[in-house]
Amino acid sequence: DTAVSQTPKYLVTQMGNDKSIKCEQNLGHDTMYWYKQDSKKFLKIMFSYNNKELIINETVPNRFSPKSPDKAHLNLHINSLELGDSAVYFCASGPTDSNQPQHFGDGTRLSIL
Amino acid sequence: DQQVKQNSPSLSVQEGRISILNCDYTNSMFDYFLWYKKYPAEGPTFLISISSIKDKNEDGRFTVFLNKSAKHLSLHIVPSQPGDSAVYFCAAAVGGATNKLIFGTGTLLAVQP
Repeated sequence: DTAVSQTPKYLVTQMGNDKSIKCEQNLGHDTMYWYKQDSKKFLKIMFSYNNKELIINETVPNRFSPKSPDKAHLNLHINSLELGDSAVYFCASGPTDSNQPQHFGDGTRLSIL
Repeated sequence: DQQVKQNSPSLSVQEGRISILNCDYTNSMFDYFLWYKKYPAEGPTFLISISSIKDKNEDGRFTVFLNKSAKHLSLHIVPSQPGDSAVYFCAAAVGGATNKLIFGTGTLLAVQP
């Protein structure tokens, strides 16, 4: 009964490829997020969606495109992968109540060869 | 420009003693602060939070203190247990926890038996 689940856990691919990471939450939350943790361990927000609407879009290359088919899912598509995209990507979800914390998935480690 | 800083990359404490993890921030607009705990190959897990209208919040062995004038918060763990060994991230947000979280770089806590 994992609350926020992401697949795959590990993703190894070649530069230039296109890949997707899927995220699903069963907490009934309205808001979902993507964070990136780089090699220096900085954890930074990329996007957030509220009820399938894009709310936050940080300065992320447009090769990254989030897709939210419904409020329980937020997938991340990455086109033309580059070496600098190697990182751990975390999905999170949070309720409408602003005093409740965000819950994180276990991350997807993306390695670009 | 790192708005949330954890200046101690690591901390070692004896089992049963107090662990104190520190966090400083620069943005005076932050009004919600959270601590997350992270084990290797897992996502951050929410530990405790505090709103800027309070200066202390306690939950079992965990207490968070907020000093707004100093823009400083700390997490106290008493007594420390070996299972507390993990990376602890401080995070801050403007307008509540559902908005984007700005994370510190983390402190690796090692509790020695």
